[in-house]
Amino acid sequence: EADIYQTPRYLVIGTGKKITLECSQTMGHDKMYWYQQDPGMELHLIHYSYGVNSTEKGDLSSESTVSRIRTEHFPLTLESARPSHTSQYLCASSESPERGDGYTFGSGTRLTVV
Amino acid sequence: KQEVTQIPAALSVPEGENLVLNCSFTDSAIYNLQWFRQDPGKGLTSLLLIQSSQREQTSGRLNASLDKSSGRSTLYIAASQPGDSATYLCAAPLTGANNLFFGTGTRLTVIP
Repeated sequence: EADIYQTPRYLVIGTGKKITLECSQTMGHDKMYWYQQDPGMELHLIHYSYGVNSTEKGDLSSESTVSRIRTEHFPLTLESARPSHTSQYLCASSESPERGDGYTFGSGTRLTVV
Repeated sequence: KQEVTQIPAALSVPEGENLVLNCSFTDSAIYNLQWFRQDPGKGLTSLLLIQSSQREQTSGRLNASLDKSSGRSTLYIAASQPGDSATYLCAAPLTGANNLFFGTGTRLTVIP
């Protein structure tokens, strides 16, 4: 079944650790996105990609980095986690928004940095 | 930049009631408008997608309308159930933009 998967679902990690949040989609979508959402707050775009080897920063400044080596895979990395990085991270993909295609979201990763 | 507003911010209704959630946006140059549902601590589930050329879309007990000229969309939920309790978000991507602009959401509680 075509879908978008995020792992881990929950992560509690100590300050200073390096972490990678995984996002994979089986729909063959070129465009992928990472959003950050604090509890009860709006979603903010932190990274996006329009295809392999293409990555851009979003509207909200983030210390995380992303890579897009394969179409289906768009991991997000924090080199040194801090308590301020505690949040929910949501991955999304879309085939062609300019043609009216909608976005599909993953289940999210809830990150807690202690 | 697109500004998306959702009213009301929170809504509590008894089971069985019909209800309307409102979404307004400032820039009508949109590709489409998408309604999502978000359960606490979870990801977003797409409910309905209305193309910019369409006026409405229906799925089961849900009906969404779009009026681009006035910058408004409504989500109508018929015969509400406790399982409908969640936060409902609307999102409108601007043509030429790389982002999906979200509203602040309406938190719906359906009381059994």
